[in-house]
Amino acid sequence: DQQVKQNSPSLSVQEGRISILNCDYTNSMFDYFLWYKKYPAEGPTFLISISSIKDKNEDGRFTVFLNKSAKHLSLHIVPSQPGDSAVYFCAASARGQGGKLIFGQGTELSVKP
Amino acid sequence: ETGVTQSPTHLIKTRGQQVTLRCSSQSGHNTVSWYQQALGQGPQFIFQYYREEENGRGNFPPRFSGLQFPNYSSELNVNALELDDSALYLCASSPTPDRSYYGYTFGSGTRLTVV
Repeated sequence: DQQVKQNSPSLSVQEGRISILNCDYTNSMFDYFLWYKKYPAEGPTFLISISSIKDKNEDGRFTVFLNKSAKHLSLHIVPSQPGDSAVYFCAASARGQGGKLIFGQGTELSVKP
Repeated sequence: ETGVTQSPTHLIKTRGQQVTLRCSSQSGHNTVSWYQQALGQGPQFIFQYYREEENGRGNFPPRFSGLQFPNYSSELNVNALELDDSALYLCASSPTPDRSYYGYTFGSGTRLTVV
């Protein structure tokens, strides 16, 4: 039972353009969502998050949008840079679950110069 | 401020054997969580430790067990290894147990191969 899904295993974008990474979830009890970035041979690093009471959160070049009715969130990176090339994971948590995060399968982003 | 250190970085074990993976948490962090990341998948929550006790568990069998020590470092033990246990094992430390992912710092992981 995949509660968090990232249906695109990979995405290729030109430098300077927008990257849009998508994530769908099924559990309506999720109340907090996070995006992590992972380079090879390194652990995931936190990128940006959003609470279920909001529909948008922005941090520099990164914006996360949450559509609760569609159970969908997306990460926008503008402008994309070659250093953004990595695997991006969407993760979700439900209240009362302590530190348990449910991760999607990841999307590998490649930003071409 | 030191980060999260995991050891070893790689190891190969034979099916049926036992393995111990180690994690030293970031300075000031008292909570440790372990995740299993199979190839092509996202990390899956195994369990969390706080004050030397298990404080939440994912859908993993009892042959996956852990320990946390007074200095907040942690071990993950897996008994009776199966081929499907081959994965990257990630440790994350955080300053609090509740909503611990707020302050998650992940280690680089241990790559376990079971043959």
